[in-house]
Amino acid sequence: AQSVTQPDIHITVSEGASLELRCNYSYGATPYLFWYVQSPGQGLQLLLKYFSGDTLVQGIKGFEAEFKWSQSSFNLRKPSVHWSDAAEYFCAVVPRGAGSYQLTFGKGTKLSVIP
Amino acid sequence: DTGVSQDPRHKITKRGQNVTFRCDPISEHNRLYWYRQTLGQGPEFLTYFQNEAQLEKSRLLSDRFSAERPKGSFSTLEIQRTEQGDSAMYLCASSLDVPYMNFGPGTRLTVT
Repeated sequence: AQSVTQPDIHITVSEGASLELRCNYSYGATPYLFWYVQSPGQGLQLLLKYFSGDTLVQGIKGFEAEFKWSQSSFNLRKPSVHWSDAAEYFCAVVPRGAGSYQLTFGKGTKLSVIP
Repeated sequence: DTGVSQDPRHKITKRGQNVTFRCDPISEHNRLYWYRQTLGQGPEFLTYFQNEAQLEKSRLLSDRFSAERPKGSFSTLEIQRTEQGDSAMYLCASSLDVPYMNFGPGTRLTVT
């Protein structure tokens, strides 16, 4: 079955430490890939997206993500976390050829930052 | 670009009552989506409009749910005879003909 998996429900890091959030997908063909961030009580903001080409993509707020076809993964990284990065992060996909472009989300990873 | 707006932001209702939510998309966006997010879960797709036409509905959208987008502008999502299981955040998003979208702040529904 098609799915998006974020294996870590909750991650805590110290401010200034590096961060990696994991995302794996199970689709027949590589879908369009996204990371969204949601602050408490807020809607979702697009951090970055991957359609094709360079497998390392840069996003907003200093985030980057690497697509690895062999591992069906699209992990999100940040070299130095700021307290304001505390939020919930969602990996999402859109299957290629889907006319509606509806997103399928993982369950999310909640990031806590220790000052 | 004033963003996607939703009204109300919070709604508390008693079981069995009807509720209606409104979404105003980014003005030039032709696509509009509704998602539902429950605690501890990612958002789940409910329905999708292209202009005024409702082109896709999820099996999550039971007969008690109805959505409209008259004239291809704002959209409304109505839930009739609310149940406690309807308690969730209802998110609206809009886009052009591209596979990514702008989300609104959501309407949090609590059914007591």
